[in-house]
Amino acid sequence: SQTIHQWPATLVQPVGSPLSLECTVEGTSNPNLYWYRQAAGRGLQLLFYSVGIGQISSEVPQNLSASRPQDRQFILSSKKLLLSDSGFYLCAWRGGAGDEKLFFGSGTQLSVL
Amino acid sequence: RKEVEQDPGPFNVPEGATVAFNCTYSNSASQSFFWYRQDCRKEPKLLMSVYSSGNEDGRFTAQLNRASQYISLLIRDSKLSDSATYLCVVNPRGSNYKLTFGKGTLLTVNP
Repeated sequence: SQTIHQWPATLVQPVGSPLSLECTVEGTSNPNLYWYRQAAGRGLQLLFYSVGIGQISSEVPQNLSASRPQDRQFILSSKKLLLSDSGFYLCAWRGGAGDEKLFFGSGTQLSVL
Repeated sequence: RKEVEQDPGPFNVPEGATVAFNCTYSNSASQSFFWYRQDCRKEPKLLMSVYSSGNEDGRFTAQLNRASQYISLLIRDSKLSDSATYLCVVNPRGSNYKLTFGKGTLLTVNP
C-alpha cells in the first residue's frame, strides 16, 4: 500500500533563516505531488505541484520554492523565512490520470518568530 | 463568487443528532467532488467521494446537485468522534492536477 512521509512535525525558525521540508512517497511510482499551506483560520492554499521529476508548477508568487530531485521525493525550501511563512504545511500525492483523490502527509507546523 | 464556499459554522449538536452541511461551487463544469475530514492540527483525510447519483457510507450520505451547483453531506446519529472540520473539495474542469478546497465547516458533537 502507499504511504507518504513528511517531516519534521513541528519547526520553529527565526525570521531570515532557511527552510527545508521533505516529503517522500512509498508504494507508488510517478505520483503527482503537491505542497499546500494552511494558515490559521484559513483554507488550504496550493503552493506547488509536480507531475514528474524536475517538473514544478508554482501557484502563487511567494518566498518559497520546491524541487523534485527523485520520483517520490518532494522538497519545499526557502532561503530566508518571513513571519508570513508561518503555517501548517502539507505534502500530498495523487495517482495518475483518472485517480483524483489526494492523500496527505501528516503535516509540518512551522512557526517563524 | 468563491470557487468553493462552505458555511464555516461552528455547528454544535448533541450526540445522536442529524446534521447536514452544504457546499456551493462556482465552476459549472466541475468534474468530481469529495468530502474530507480534518481533525485539529492533523492532515485532511478523505471521507468520501460524491457521485451524481448520491452515495452512502454508513451514517454518512453525500449528494450532488449539478443544476444548483452544490453538494451536501448528511451525518446521522452523530458520535462524539465525528467532531472535526469537514472540507468540501472540487475538481474544476480543465484543472487536471488541482483540487480546490473549501475553508471547511467545524462540527462539535456534544455529550
